[in-house]
Parts: sequence; C-alpha cells; structure tokens
Amino acid sequence: DGGITQSPKYLFRKEGQNVTLSCEQNLNHDAMYWYRQDPGQGLRLIYYSQIVNDFQKGDIAEGYSVSREKKESFPLTVTSAQKNPTAFYLCASSMPRGGGSGANVLTFGAGSRLTVL
Amino acid sequence: QKEVEQDPGPLSVPEGAIVSLNCTYSNSAFQYFMWYRQYSRKGPELLMYTYSSGNKEDGRFTAQVDKSSKYISLFIRDSQPSDSATYLCAITTGRRALTFGSGTRLQVQP
Repeated sequence: DGGITQSPKYLFRKEGQNVTLSCEQNLNHDAMYWYRQDPGQGLRLIYYSQIVNDFQKGDIAEGYSVSREKKESFPLTVTSAQKNPTAFYLCASSMPRGGGSGANVLTFGAGSRLTVL
Repeated sequence: QKEVEQDPGPLSVPEGAIVSLNCTYSNSAFQYFMWYRQYSRKGPELLMYTYSSGNKEDGRFTAQVDKSSKYISLFIRDSQPSDSATYLCAITTGRRALTFGSGTRLQVQP
C-alpha cells in the first residue's frame, strides 16, 4: 500500500539534545512537507521541499533543519535551538500541479509526538 | 489577524443531528478550499476539495464556499459517532503551501 511512514511514533528528548524524525513516502510524490501541530493552533508549516536537494523555510523554521537527498525521504531534525519543541509533528507529501491548474492536495503520515523532559 | 479563522469548539451533538462547521478567511486570493478530518493521535485525511463558490456534495458531507463573504462551511447530515474527530479547513492560492485553520473538535453522542 502506498503511503507515508513516520518514525518514531513517540519520542522523548532531554533538553539540549538534537533529535531526528524520519519521514518516508512511496507515493512517488515530488513535494514533501513538515508541519507542527499544537493544541488549539492548527498546523503550522516548518519546512517544505518541492524537489530533491532543494527545500524552503515555512512559517516557523527556526530551530529546525531538514535534508532532501532522496525523493522518498525528508527527515526533520529538531535542534537544541528550538525553545519549545514539545508538539505533534506531521509529515505530508503531494504531487504539485503545474501551471496553476490546482491546489496541492496533501497526504499525511500518522505523526510523531515529541516530548521534552 | 490570522489568515484563516476557525471556531475550535468543542462541538457536541446527538447522533443523527446536522452539523455545521465553518471557517472565515481574509485573503481574497485564496481559491482552493479543503476540509480534512483528523482522528485523535492520527494524521489528517482529506475529506472534501473545492475550488469555486457553491456547494459540493459527497454522501453525507456537503462543502459550501462563499467567496464574496470569504466564508466556507462543511455540513454533515445524519451525524454518526464515527464522525467524532477534529475537522480542519485548509485554504491556498494554489501557488503556496496550505494554510490551515485551528480545527474544530466534534463529538457525536450516541
């Protein structure tokens, strides 16, 4: 079955540690995204990538880093510079529609919940 | 002012009721409108997608868009306990990543 796999599902981190969240997709989608979800705030965009070896900052990129070395993979590193990292992180992918012919419909993974101790 | 405003709820209704979920937006350039459903501790899944003013129906679900008022709605007829979830509106110009509302938590009581 095609889909997006996020791991780990739950992660605990001590203050000052970097952690990396994995996101793998087998949908052959070009674009991938990372969102952060906090209670009552909806989804906020951290980073997105439209092609391999290229990515752009979203609305809340500070304290995060990403890489896109393969089409299927878009890992997110939460660095110690992120002041409030406890949240639910969602990875998504889409097949961009060229020429303004429509919106990018996102397919989401099941999410990773990060808790800082 | 947020680009997309959505009442967070929670909204509690009895089984069989008609549910109305709403979002307002500020940017008239938005032209693609979606509703995602998110069960607890899961990722969101696409429920409805529209790009024009008017209604779109899919089974018990109807999405309504009023571009003149910058107002979108999702109606659920004959609501079921399995509809209990958080519903997120998502809007885009088509050239940007989606902008999400904060989500409305719905509880359908059996």
